[in-house]
Amino acid sequence: DQQVKQNSPSLSVQEGRISILNCDYTNSMFDYFLWYKKYPAEGPTFLISISSIKDKNEDGRFTVFLNKSAKHLSLHIVPSQPGDSAVYFCAASEAGNQFYFGTGTSLTVIP
Amino acid sequence: NAGVTQTPKFQVLKTGQSMTLQCAQDMNHNSMYWYRQDPGMGLRLIYYSASEGTTDKGEVPNGYNVSRLNKREFSLRLESAAPSQTSVYFCASSRILAGLLSSYNEQFFGPGTRLTVL
Repeated sequence: DQQVKQNSPSLSVQEGRISILNCDYTNSMFDYFLWYKKYPAEGPTFLISISSIKDKNEDGRFTVFLNKSAKHLSLHIVPSQPGDSAVYFCAASEAGNQFYFGTGTSLTVIP
Repeated sequence: NAGVTQTPKFQVLKTGQSMTLQCAQDMNHNSMYWYRQDPGMGLRLIYYSASEGTTDKGEVPNGYNVSRLNKREFSLRLESAAPSQTSVYFCASSRILAGLLSSYNEQFFGPGTRLTVL
């Protein structure tokens, strides 16, 4: 059973606007969350992370928000750029054990 | 600095054939991982090696074996390939075991091996 879910397989956004990618999880014991970005024919690359003691982490244009009560994670990209077009995976881990990945959301930023 | 390299990039097997997927990293990382990516399933951990000399099962280990040959290399073997093992396989490495609360646990991924089993 999928412990980490990304319910939107795809998202299209105009260049310069905000992109919001969502992720839900079922295991309340998860304490560390990450977002990865993947271009076609390449491996995923790390984007940003957040631990469960925080509710927000920011890195340049990328901000991750964590709502533990709702078991919900979101990634905001502001402003969106065409180079951001990729598949985005969220992942979660419990106390140093393996990461569980979501199914991915394909983001297209339209120039 | 090549990062994480995987060979081969593509492979077609017949059911029952065996093969080994090779992975090497040049970042002096302690931990290495094998994932598979299937449509609608995301990335799933097959096996991992927290450090040289140790290996552990992940979420979907059945049908696979691994060898941590040395600190740099981590191979994945399919002894008798089945069509259900058609997938894209990713190797990854990290300085320390991913999942630990540390900025050093970032996983670096290889470019992937696309495997088709007929």
